[in-house]
Amino acid sequence: AQTVTQSQPEMSVQEAETVTLSCTYDTSESDYYLFWYKQPPSRQMILVIRQEAYKQQNATENRFSVNFQKAAKSFSLKISDSQLGDAAMYFCAYRANAGGTSYGKLTFGQGTILTVHP
Amino acid sequence: ETGVTQTPRHLVMGMTNKKSLKCEQHLGHNAMYWYKQSAKKPLELMFVYNFKEQTENNSVPSRFSPECPNSSHLFLHLHTLQPEDSALYLCASSQPWGSEQYFGPGTRLTVT
Repeated sequence: AQTVTQSQPEMSVQEAETVTLSCTYDTSESDYYLFWYKQPPSRQMILVIRQEAYKQQNATENRFSVNFQKAAKSFSLKISDSQLGDAAMYFCAYRANAGGTSYGKLTFGQGTILTVHP
Repeated sequence: ETGVTQTPRHLVMGMTNKKSLKCEQHLGHNAMYWYKQSAKKPLELMFVYNFKEQTENNSVPSRFSPECPNSSHLFLHLHTLQPEDSALYLCASSQPWGSEQYFGPGTRLTVT
């Protein structure tokens, strides 16, 4: 079974600084997606960034980028120039891209609460 | 309305009550999901529907009964719940072949 582990329950960063959130996963699949979701205090879960396992290039979305290390099964999120609005719970998630019973299922990590200090 | 909507946003119910949670997606998706989010626990997938057919029941107790009348609507019928069922219930949708899931704002359920 796939598992996703976020080892940092809480992180904090100063406004305008850079922070990296860690995520590791375990799978026997070779074709899958990885995601970072953000859940602000208002609770709406928002997709931040996604990475396709077959792509070696790390995904980037504006101030958000990932460091995808497939062999190490590591998928960290870097937030540059942190803003107050970045404060939220961040979830790492995994989804197999093969058919079968696991198709479409997202497996989430435990989440990391990010605090941004002005 | 756009995206995924959920009603009600807050619900307090007694253990003997029967209530329903509603989810509606306006994204043209054909897969819908129910998740349970409890404090200090990862999100737990409860049910998956693809093209109105249930394709996943993650060992959810029978006091939770899902219904998917069409690809845009998903319900979660609740009856004789326990206090430990108090949680945030999230609905999501996606294309069955698509990678991203889009989430609603959730229903905060409190069982007294």
